[in-house]
Amino acid sequence: GAGVSQSPRYKVAKRGQDVALRCDPISGHVSLFWYQQALGQGPEFLTYFQNEAQLDKSGLPSDRFFAERPEGSVSTLKIQRTQQEDSAVYLCASSLAKTSGRAVANNEQFFGPGTRLTVL
Amino acid sequence: GDSVTQMEGPVTLSEEAFLTINCTYTATGYPSLFWYVQYPGEGLQLLLKATKADDKGSNKGFEATYRKETTSFHLEKGSVQVSDSAVYFCASPAQGGATNKLIFGTGTLLAVQP
Repeated sequence: GAGVSQSPRYKVAKRGQDVALRCDPISGHVSLFWYQQALGQGPEFLTYFQNEAQLDKSGLPSDRFFAERPEGSVSTLKIQRTQQEDSAVYLCASSLAKTSGRAVANNEQFFGPGTRLTVL
Repeated sequence: GDSVTQMEGPVTLSEEAFLTINCTYTATGYPSLFWYVQYPGEGLQLLLKATKADDKGSNKGFEATYRKETTSFHLEKGSVQVSDSAVYFCASPAQGGATNKLIFGTGTLLAVQP
């Protein structure tokens, strides 16, 4: 079956523009994660959804970053008034299981190919 | 707080050489540990995992043993191939809270030469 897909794969934005990045998780996956991967670094957590509920947004770097998953499937990460420091690869991952107060440490996260954002 | 530290690269090896990429973690308790691989132009893929102390994860000739005494999860392969050239990430779930978010190391680029 299809894996996690993301679009666009590449995005070039002028500083100050708004961008929207899309993630299509694996069908039926409850959990959805967004990560930011700067050049030469490991991915860093941005936000987490369980179905349509955004349970953790502690990793969002500023209020210019906004994520939603209104129907518990597709998710969109929006960045307003982009800055050069927003340039990175944005990764989406989905997982079958949900967490319920206690982190379930064994559930594999399946990653999409990422969207490479370049802000000029 | 929780953290994952892995050796910096790049690591350049000749085909059939032995590979070790070091990874250590800092966490309360004994979290699961993962190695992910990122081939050029592709997304992250889970390579192997270990869910408790003393477990050994293995896949595609790669192995890693969860050693609680040294809080380590070093990745090894006895004979690398050119097709193993990729970036390797050690990762662990953050402890506490209500999510399963992963904490990643900085990644180690492996280049295998024929």
